[in-house]
Amino acid sequence: DAGVIQSPRHEVTEMGQEVTLRCKPISGHNSLFWYRQTMMRGLELLIYFNNNVPIDDSGMPEDRFSAKMPNASFSTLKIQPSEPRDSAVYFCASSQRLSEKLFFGSGTQLSVL
Amino acid sequence: GENVEQHPSTLSVQEGDSAVIKCTYSDSASNYFPWYKQELGKGPQLIIDIRSNVGEKKDQRIAVTLNKTAKHFSLHITETQPEDSAVYFCAAPSGAGSYQLTFGKGTKLSVIP
Repeated sequence: DAGVIQSPRHEVTEMGQEVTLRCKPISGHNSLFWYRQTMMRGLELLIYFNNNVPIDDSGMPEDRFSAKMPNASFSTLKIQPSEPRDSAVYFCASSQRLSEKLFFGSGTQLSVL
Repeated sequence: GENVEQHPSTLSVQEGDSAVIKCTYSDSASNYFPWYKQELGKGPQLIIDIRSNVGEKKDQRIAVTLNKTAKHFSLHITETQPEDSAVYFCAAPSGAGSYQLTFGKGTKLSVIP
């Protein structure tokens, strides 16, 4: 298996622009997580899906952030409008049903200028 | 929710020496404790985990110990090698029965040849 695939690897954008991050989980995994990593706050859980349904989005910082999972093999995290404080590495992770073992993608390095 | 504290934040050891990283957690109902290794430019990767029904688990040069009474668990790396240099994260479930993980802030381990 190719593992969790994220795109793009790097994204540089200007403040106010819309940013869309993409994730393909491992085939057969039922749960998908979006994390954000910064030096100050470490790894923070943003949102968690189970069987394509959002279960907990309490970590989403603001209404500017939204996430979707239209099917079992694809998820997006959108930021609109983006701000410089959104600059971070965004990770997608997936796990098998009822398992805490997470498999992370390589992340998207987002820079908002 | 769960609160996970990790120490030290940085650790330097000579090649061949042992390294120990410690974490404390707040929720006494937590029953799963993983450790992740993150290399530069990559996502975290699970290296070892332990459940609350055992006190210690080993996998070659890596071991994890758990003290449920004191609510802390530790990662032990013996005979360290330069390729062990990375950032290590501990984690614990975000609540009883939760499949969401709360991560520690990380420990940057440097193994000096």
